[in-house]
Amino acid sequence: KQEVTQIPAALSVPEGENLVLNCSFTDSAIYNLQWFRQDPGKGLTSLLLIQSSQREQTSGRLNASLDKSSGRSTLYIAASQPGDSATYLCAVRLFGANSKLTFGKGITLSVRP
Amino acid sequence: EAQVTQNPRYLITVTGKKLTVTCSQNMNHEYMSWYRQDPGLGLRQIYYSMNVEVTDKGDVPEGYKVSRKEKRNFPLILESPSPNQTSLYFCASSLMTGFAYEQYFGPGTRLTVT
Repeated sequence: KQEVTQIPAALSVPEGENLVLNCSFTDSAIYNLQWFRQDPGKGLTSLLLIQSSQREQTSGRLNASLDKSSGRSTLYIAASQPGDSATYLCAVRLFGANSKLTFGKGITLSVRP
Repeated sequence: EAQVTQNPRYLITVTGKKLTVTCSQNMNHEYMSWYRQDPGLGLRQIYYSMNVEVTDKGDVPEGYKVSRKEKRNFPLILESPSPNQTSLYFCASSLMTGFAYEQYFGPGTRLTVT
């Protein structure tokens, strides 16, 4: 059974720092991995999607990498801003008919001004 | 605008009173799914559908029903809600062909059952 782990559960950093959020998964036979952002009580916003054949994806100040063999992904946020404060979730999709995403519990990021 | 919509966004109800949460997408996606999100448990899949009239159970289907009569709609039905179904519910959709299979999520429905 696929398990997705995100540690630590919470992180507080001063504005301007570059930071890395980690995600690990137990079954390396994934189809893709998505990083989401969730603001308190709100929906999920897709940030980046990495196919299993890819190593990284970039969007603005965000860069996500994928190492299937070690079961790890990282989300790099450059020059963090208070507006980046949110919960960041990673989710993996396995091969198969059910496109179910298995989610980590998320990392709650607070960027202090 | 491509989107997944859910209604209602907030609902407070009493135990045993049947309710339906609607979900609709305008992207012609084949795949649709319902998740619930609970503190400490994260997001878990309730039901999914790979196309019209094709539905199947996810990880936590007990107490829920779904139907897929049209491609764009995938309602979640609670025939007899109980307090342990108090949760934040998300509908999601994606293509089943092509390369990306990116999933798009609705804004969420916060349900409270008293």
